[in-house]
Amino acid sequence: GNSVTQMEGPVTLSEEAFLTINCTYTATGYPSLFWYVQYPGEGLQLLLKATKADDKGSNKGFEATYRKETTSFHLEKGSVQVSDSAVYFCALSVSPGNNRKLIWGLGTSLAVNP
Amino acid sequence: NAGVTQTPKFQVLKTGQSMTLQCAQDMNHEYMSWYRQDPGMGLRLIHYSVGAGITDQGEVPNGYNVSRSTTEDFPLRLLSAAPSQTSVYFCASSDQAGSQFFGPGTRLTVL
Repeated sequence: GNSVTQMEGPVTLSEEAFLTINCTYTATGYPSLFWYVQYPGEGLQLLLKATKADDKGSNKGFEATYRKETTSFHLEKGSVQVSDSAVYFCALSVSPGNNRKLIWGLGTSLAVNP
Repeated sequence: NAGVTQTPKFQVLKTGQSMTLQCAQDMNHEYMSWYRQDPGMGLRLIHYSVGAGITDQGEVPNGYNVSRSTTEDFPLRLLSAAPSQTSVYFCASSDQAGSQFFGPGTRLTVL
């Protein structure tokens, strides 16, 4: 079946450190891949996405590349800020037509210290 | 453009009470869904709808009902609240590209 596996948190970094959050997936067909971010006390927001192999999604200094050969979509940022402290979710969609169900990872909590 | 709105923001119920969580979106999205979020469990899909008049069950539908009479609204009903339904509930709608847009959530406590 379809599934998403994220690295377990919490991840704790100092400001300006390099961030990688690993995400691997199992899917039939050709999934679209997403990263969502959830700030404390809020709903989830789409951070970036990629719809086909070798696509790179980017937003707010975050990047992720859709690697079909390694079935991965790792999230990276070169220099994190305290304001990046949040929970990050990786997700995939393989649903055809109007069914837009997402398969979710369990989330990775990131804390950035000043 | 308000996006996805949810009411109430917080709710406390007693076991056995019923209530409706409201969700509305103004983006004309056909697909809408309800999730619950519990510590260590990620997001779990309760019910979803691919358009007005069409609903289907997700992973954890027991104890919840939904209806979709209009494109904009997708209410979630708790029939007889139980402590196991204490959670944070999120409504979401999806555009044609599959990106989901979330409401701010309802924090429900069942005593």
